[in-house]
Amino acid sequence: DAKTTQPPSMDCAEGRAANLPCNHSTISGNEYVYWYRQIHSQGPQYIIHGLKNNETNEMASLIITEDRKSSTLILPHATLRDTAVYYCIVRRDFNKFYFGSGTKLNVKP
Amino acid sequence: EPEVTQTPSHQVTQMGQEVILRCVPISNHLYFYWYRQILGQKVEFLVSFYNNEISEKSEIFDDQFSVERPDGSNFTLKIRSTKLEDSAMYFCASMKMVDQPQHFGDGTRLSIL
Repeated sequence: DAKTTQPPSMDCAEGRAANLPCNHSTISGNEYVYWYRQIHSQGPQYIIHGLKNNETNEMASLIITEDRKSSTLILPHATLRDTAVYYCIVRRDFNKFYFGSGTKLNVKP
Repeated sequence: EPEVTQTPSHQVTQMGQEVILRCVPISNHLYFYWYRQILGQKVEFLVSFYNNEISEKSEIFDDQFSVERPDGSNFTLKIRSTKLEDSAMYFCASMKMVDQPQHFGDGTRLSIL
């Protein structure tokens, strides 16, 4: 499975958009990009995933570059409850998830 | 919305004792996983299970560990003789089909004394 690179931490003002980048330059053609978050020691929470096209759901938007070597998770209006560690994961088929260190997002009032 | 449920939320066990962690995956899911997270560290894969057999396991998942799906609803992780270093959060996850997301439970905190 391709590995990912994320900044260790980011700050965002409450109410503003949070844009979390992820680099996955070794991604292969059949690997999906998944985003999860973990609040304190709770179980990882699924946010969104995609293969090639941009995706949007009620939680977030996922922008994948045309060459698929990087992606951005967008939380359109961050709240204090969005403070968490965000993980970008690439995976093929039913394989395991490899969790890196993620990005610690601090949403500030 | 259906959830993965794990019991107990916290388990305290003496070193050397056997422990069984229980999970009820989402009902129509076919793929099952266990992960663990030692305090302050990354989430680590332990084992995946499909069609009543282990499909992949990590080097952490040694002979002291076993998994079972004893009936149509439960998925268990057994540690035969616990060690201090087994203290961690253990997360169960399930997935409906390939290329779909895994859904995680809220974990069992295992404390070995």
